[in-house]
Amino acid sequence: DAGVTQSPTHLIKTRGQHVTLRCSPISGHKSVSWYQQVLGQGPQFIFQYYEKEERGRGNFPDRFSARQFPNYSSELNVNALLLGDSALYLCASSRDRGFPETQYFGPGTRLLVL
Amino acid sequence: EDKVVQSPLSLVVHEGDTVTLNCSYEVTNFRSLLWYKQEKKAPTFLFMLTSSGIEKKSGRLSSILDKKELFSILNITATQTGDSAVYLCAVGRYNNNDMRFGAGTRLTVKP
Repeated sequence: DAGVTQSPTHLIKTRGQHVTLRCSPISGHKSVSWYQQVLGQGPQFIFQYYEKEERGRGNFPDRFSARQFPNYSSELNVNALLLGDSALYLCASSRDRGFPETQYFGPGTRLLVL
Repeated sequence: EDKVVQSPLSLVVHEGDTVTLNCSYEVTNFRSLLWYKQEKKAPTFLFMLTSSGIEKKSGRLSSILDKKELFSILNITATQTGDSAVYLCAVGRYNNNDMRFGAGTRLTVKP
């Protein structure tokens, strides 16, 4: 079975631009979570989506938004990019929403904001 | 505020050495503690611990949890260059859908 996939793998943007990151979960997984990992830090939770509804949100500004599609894939959108948004963005999927311990991580999208 | 603190932040050893990585936590509604290995991008699961004093073991890696003192250790014996990675500790909590991660320990194993 294919694991969690993310696209693109790398991305370079300039301040003020908008970015969309994509994630396809493992087949049969209905929960998708997004994490931001700044260099030298651990992943920080941004959102969880389950059955197309937002089920959890971390301490991130409204510039960050996400959605989940009927096929359970997900998009993370970031508006008005700042230099500090440069990070590895990880997507994780799990079968259920209440047990993030069972989640599998994708390879991430590395975003550089210049 | 919930905290997960890992130490040391970085460590350089030689092949064959034994290392101990530390993770302490202060969280509400603690449910589990997980260890991950992150080499390039995706963290890969190593262990999940929920009960105190029960050692989990996989090859040269082992881990144990102390719920009274609120910490866990990850031991790696006979280290190899392939063990070089960032080791992340994360805590799962009841009534929360996310994992709270520490900053990680960067382990470098030299030949």
